[in-house]
Amino acid sequence: GAGVSQSPRYKVAKRGQDVALRCDPISGHVSLFWYQQALGQGPEFLTYFQNEAQLDKSGLPSDRFFAERPEGSVSTLKIQRTQQEDSAVYLCASSPKRTGGYEQYFGPGTRLTVT
Amino acid sequence: GNSVTQMEGPVTLSEEAFLTINCTYTATGYPSLFWYVQYPGEGLQLLLKATKADDKGSNKGFEATYRKETTSFHLEKGSVQVSDSAVYFCALSQTSGSRLTFGEGTQLTVNP
Repeated sequence: GAGVSQSPRYKVAKRGQDVALRCDPISGHVSLFWYQQALGQGPEFLTYFQNEAQLDKSGLPSDRFFAERPEGSVSTLKIQRTQQEDSAVYLCASSPKRTGGYEQYFGPGTRLTVT
Repeated sequence: GNSVTQMEGPVTLSEEAFLTINCTYTATGYPSLFWYVQYPGEGLQLLLKATKADDKGSNKGFEATYRKETTSFHLEKGSVQVSDSAVYFCALSQTSGSRLTFGEGTQLTVNP
């Protein structure tokens, strides 16, 4: 079946622009996660949804970052007034379970470059 | 808070060599432990996992044993292949929570 898809795969933004990154999880998966992966580093947690509810947004680095999943399926991560330090790969993952200890299925990521 | 520490990379081996990538963790309670792999140009994939102490996860010839006493989950393979060249990430999650906490990753290159 189809895996997690993300779009766009690459995004170049000028500093100060707003961007929107899309994630299509595996159909029926309850949990959805966003991670940020800087070059040469491991992914770092940003936020977590269970269906349409955002249960944890403690990893969002600033109030310029906003995520939503209004119908409990597709999710969008929005970054306002982008800064150079926002340059990273943004990963989306989904899981059929509500709790930890289970596999998360990752998308290919969106590479954001802020110039 | 939770944290994962991996051995520094990169690691370069010849085909058929023995592989060990060290991973230690800090966490409260009994987290689940994972190894994820990222092949060039592809997304992260689960390689193996273990959910309780002394469990051994295995897949594709790779193994890792959950050692509570040493808070470790070292990845091993007896004979690596060129196709194993990738970045390997150790990670944990708490049963009561959901997020994965990753190590910094170890780049493995296997030469023919």
